[in-house]
Amino acid sequence: GAGVSQSPSNKVTEKGKDVELRCDPISGHTALYWYRQSLGQGLEFLIYFQGNSAPDKSGLPSDRFSAERTGGSVSTLTIQRTQQEDSAVYLCASSPKRGLAEETQYFGPGTRLLVL
Amino acid sequence: RKEVEQDPGPFNVPEGATVAFNCTYSNSASQSFFWYRQDCRKEPKLLMSVYSSGNEDGRFTAQLNRASQYISLLIRDSKLSDSATYLCVVSSSGGYNKLIFGAGTRLAVHP
Repeated sequence: GAGVSQSPSNKVTEKGKDVELRCDPISGHTALYWYRQSLGQGLEFLIYFQGNSAPDKSGLPSDRFSAERTGGSVSTLTIQRTQQEDSAVYLCASSPKRGLAEETQYFGPGTRLLVL
Repeated sequence: RKEVEQDPGPFNVPEGATVAFNCTYSNSASQSFFWYRQDCRKEPKLLMSVYSSGNEDGRFTAQLNRASQYISLLIRDSKLSDSATYLCVVSSSGGYNKLIFGAGTRLAVHP
């Protein structure tokens, strides 16, 4: 069956430009998460969606970062006025139900963002 | 102090060796614990959940000590295909599954 998909797989942009990253979760999964992995670092939580609402946005590093989810499915992460420190792999994960602590999260392949 | 700490390695071991990874976490209210595996330039994939009673899956054994806030992973009879980064992961106590990742321990198994 189809897993979590993300697009684009790679993105190179110039400092100051806006970028949009897309995540298609596994069909029927209601919980969706965004993480970021910088070079040589562990994954860092960004935001959690339950359905279309985002109860926890605490990991978004600045107000240049925003995310939305529509129809309880696709999510987009937008970074405005990108900076070089935004360069990282952005990973999306989904889980089946209400994002319970014991649920397995299934990760997409990530979007590698490079800001020049 | 990081919420989840791991020895970064790398651990370089010959095939057939037994290798152990350790991890500590700082939030005593953490609810669930996992080991993920991440291959180079790939997404993390769940290796196994970790329970207080300890659990085993083939050559892999995971242990959790809540009192010490310590998690371990033992790999027996290492294979070349075990070469990867192993991520210690803890879920937050916020009522949903916000995963807190360690930076990972690199394992390289050589012939």
